[in-house]
This record gives sequence, C-alpha cells and structure tokens, in this order.
Amino acid sequence: AQSVTQLGSHVSVSEGALVLLRCNYSSSVPPYLFWYVQYPNQGLQLLLKYTSAATLVKGINGFEAEFKKSETSFHLTKPSAHMSDAAEYFCAVSFAPGEKLTFGTGTRLTIIP
Amino acid sequence: DAGVTQSPTHLIKTRGQQVTLRCSPKSGHDTVSWYQQALGQGPQFIFQYYEEEERQRGNFPDRFSGHQFPNYSSELNVNALLLGDSALYLCASSGRFRGSDPLGAASGGSTDTQYFGPGTRLTVL
Repeated sequence: AQSVTQLGSHVSVSEGALVLLRCNYSSSVPPYLFWYVQYPNQGLQLLLKYTSAATLVKGINGFEAEFKKSETSFHLTKPSAHMSDAAEYFCAVSFAPGEKLTFGTGTRLTIIP
Repeated sequence: DAGVTQSPTHLIKTRGQQVTLRCSPKSGHDTVSWYQQALGQGPQFIFQYYEEEERQRGNFPDRFSGHQFPNYSSELNVNALLLGDSALYLCASSGRFRGSDPLGAASGGSTDTQYFGPGTRLTVL
C-alpha cells in the first residue's frame, strides 16, 4: 500500500525566503512521486515529478525536489519565495506514471510581504 | 493544444438525485482518471478508464460509476446523492502525449503523467 504524509498543513514564509514543504512517502515498490499546486478554485497543476531518473528534480516556477530513498522523502524547495507562490501544494505517489495517484492532505503556503 | 476540460463548472443537486459530470482529455491522451476532493482534503482516487473499460477503482461505493467513449472522453455518474458527496470532482488524463512536455526533459522520466482539469464543484443540499 502507498501513502503520503505532508508535515505541516500550513506554512508561512516571508517574500524572498526559502520555501521548504515536506513530503514523506510509504511504498512497497519504487515510487513515482509528484508535486502538484492548486490555486483557489482551480484544478491541480503539475510542478515536478520523480520517475527513477535523477534524484534532484527541477520543475516549473523555480521549484525543485530531491528524492531521498534512505529518508523516504521528497521535499519541495524554492530558494526565494514570491507572492505568486501562495497556494495549496500536494505531494502524490503512484506505482507507475499514469497509474492512480495517492495524495497527501496538502500544505497551504502563505507568503508574507 | 487544449488541456483537460470538464463540464459543468458548478452544479447544485438535492439529496437522492443523480448527477453526470463530463471530461474531455488532453489531446493525444487515452486514459482518464476521476478524483474527489472534499473541502480541505487531498484528492481521493475514484476510478480510471482506459480503452472504454474501468481499469482501476478506489474505495468508492457502487453509486459512483463511469463510462469512457471511443473518443476517450469520459463521464462520472453518481446516483442517490448524499450530502457527503459535496466536493470538487477532478478529472485527469494521461497516456500517449503528442506535443511538448516542459517537465519531460527536466525530470528525465516518462511523459505518461496525469494532467488535471479545472474540476466540477458539486454541492448537494
């Protein structure tokens, strides 16, 4: 069975500060991991994905994530927060690309001016 | 290139009624998945359709059913609506992808990624 734990339902950072959103997964097979962002009243937009290639994955809007098997983690980072980054972020896991996604409960990111 | 589209945008129903939600996948995609997102929660997988058949199913009752058409579009049907069915229903498509994938090269992985539509907000009164 797969599961995803996102630590911190709410995270606040100052504009220009480092963004760190945490995700830990549980999977009985090598996982495929994804980060999605959801803006208010919208669907999900893919930020980045890990599919057993490079462990450091770069995505859109300056975000990146590092797959650490020993820690079963896939934390999302961005060096400098921008006001437009305020949104809900979801980590998700699947057995293979295109298979059903199991999502975490989400982290709401607030940017302080 | 049109993305995933869903209709309607919003829907209000009363308990006991039936509802049909529609989804058109991204061009070139042949697999459609449906998710339910309750307020303040992460999306929960309902089922996935491929080649007009239900391929995978999550932990949802038989009141939830679906269909995929030859053109790969899909419908989600919910019978005997309950108050707890109020949620945002998201459709995602995946499969063969013709066109640019800005994350394909960056991640070094497959382009077989699920792309989501804007969702249908269902309110059950």
